[in-house]
Amino acid sequence: GQNIDQPTEMTATEGAIVQINCTYQTSGFNGLFWYQQHAGEAPTFLSYNVLDGLEEKGRFSSFLSRSKGYSYLLLKELQMKDSASYLCAAMDSNYQLIWGAGTKLIIKP
Amino acid sequence: EAGVAQSPRYKIIEKRQSVAFWCNPISGHATLYWYQQILGQGPKLLIQFQNNGVVDDSQLPKDRFSAERLKGVDSTLKIQPAKLEDSAVYLCASVGRTYEQYFGPGTRLTVT
Repeated sequence: GQNIDQPTEMTATEGAIVQINCTYQTSGFNGLFWYQQHAGEAPTFLSYNVLDGLEEKGRFSSFLSRSKGYSYLLLKELQMKDSASYLCAAMDSNYQLIWGAGTKLIIKP
Repeated sequence: EAGVAQSPRYKIIEKRQSVAFWCNPISGHATLYWYQQILGQGPKLLIQFQNNGVVDDSQLPKDRFSAERLKGVDSTLKIQPAKLEDSAVYLCASVGRTYEQYFGPGTRLTVT
């Protein structure tokens, strides 16, 4: 079957670094997405990885290991506005996204 | 570029009533998705359109849900009759040349 696993909730301190992990199992694989979703809002795109390695985009970086079925999202210099849910989604052989339940990130001052 | 538009933003209905949601994707985006998102869960795909054709509706509860995209642009999703468990946010997303999905603001449905 197809499955995405990510932690339900994480807590971090403002200014710190946090890593949100995601493991996936899909029928075929065409890339891994990370989306940010603030409470009561729609998901917004953060990153897309299809090749192994680290992609850096400002304070956010995303890593992919296809052989391990593993990805992580790294958030640096955390700000209060980073409090949100972070959704991991893998694209299967039909180019459809298989979504995780999301990781709720709580930032404390 | 204008984003994905959805209406209404909020809807409260009683069980067994019907409701319809509307979505207008980003201009030129051929692929359109309807998702259902229950609080604390990831989006669940209901139906995928490519232009005005259905690509995948395997997870659409067809006894009560229907969707159409007649002219290959905007789309409507209908629930008739609604059940309590249909309370959720209904998200519309469109895709252009890349694989990135752009989401509308969603419709929050409460069934009482």
